[in-house]
Amino acid sequence: AQKVTQAQTEISVVEKEDVTLDCVYETRDTTYYLFWYKQPPSGELVFLIRRNSFDEQNEISGRYSWNFQKSTSSFNFTITASQVVDSAVYFCALTRNSGYSTLTFGKGTMLLVSP
Amino acid sequence: KAGVTQTPRYLIKTRGQQVTLSCSPISGHRSVSWYQQTPGQGLQFLFEYFSETQRNKGNFPGRFSGRQFSNSRSEMNVSTLELGDSALYLCASSQTGGVGSGEAFFGQGTRLTVV
Repeated sequence: AQKVTQAQTEISVVEKEDVTLDCVYETRDTTYYLFWYKQPPSGELVFLIRRNSFDEQNEISGRYSWNFQKSTSSFNFTITASQVVDSAVYFCALTRNSGYSTLTFGKGTMLLVSP
Repeated sequence: KAGVTQTPRYLIKTRGQQVTLSCSPISGHRSVSWYQQTPGQGLQFLFEYFSETQRNKGNFPGRFSGRQFSNSRSEMNVSTLELGDSALYLCASSQTGGVGSGEAFFGQGTRLTVV
């Protein structure tokens, strides 16, 4: 069975602070895909990144960066110089096959960025 | 380009009733997936339809059903509503690959309240 744990339920930061959202996963599959989604108050899930299990390179996209470490089964997400617009719930997710829609989601981390 | 449209946005139903939710995918998208989001269970996969056929199914009772029409619009139905069915129901559309492809777009959801 697959499992995703986001231990941080809620994080509050002040604008311009850096913040890291933790994600730890469990799977017996050797091939799998990891995701991060953002859910703003409007409700839709916004795709941020997908990473397959064979690509452990860290990725940076603007203020966002992701650290994937298979040795610790973690896929952490860092926002640099946070902004108020980053306030949302962030979900980490896992699937065994990119052709599946059966993502296993973590419970999410609510990020509140205050001015 | 219009996004994924879910109707209605809000719905209040009584226990024992049935409800139908609608999802209009992005034009040209043939895959539609449904997720249930509750505070207790988080995000859970319901089912996925592709070209009018159910391609994948989550672990929900038979009271939850869905279908997809030839224009790719999808509906999900919940019969004999229970209080625990109160949730945000999210729909996602993608061209072919489902949510696991990383190419899916989510709608803003239908907030169902069962009283």
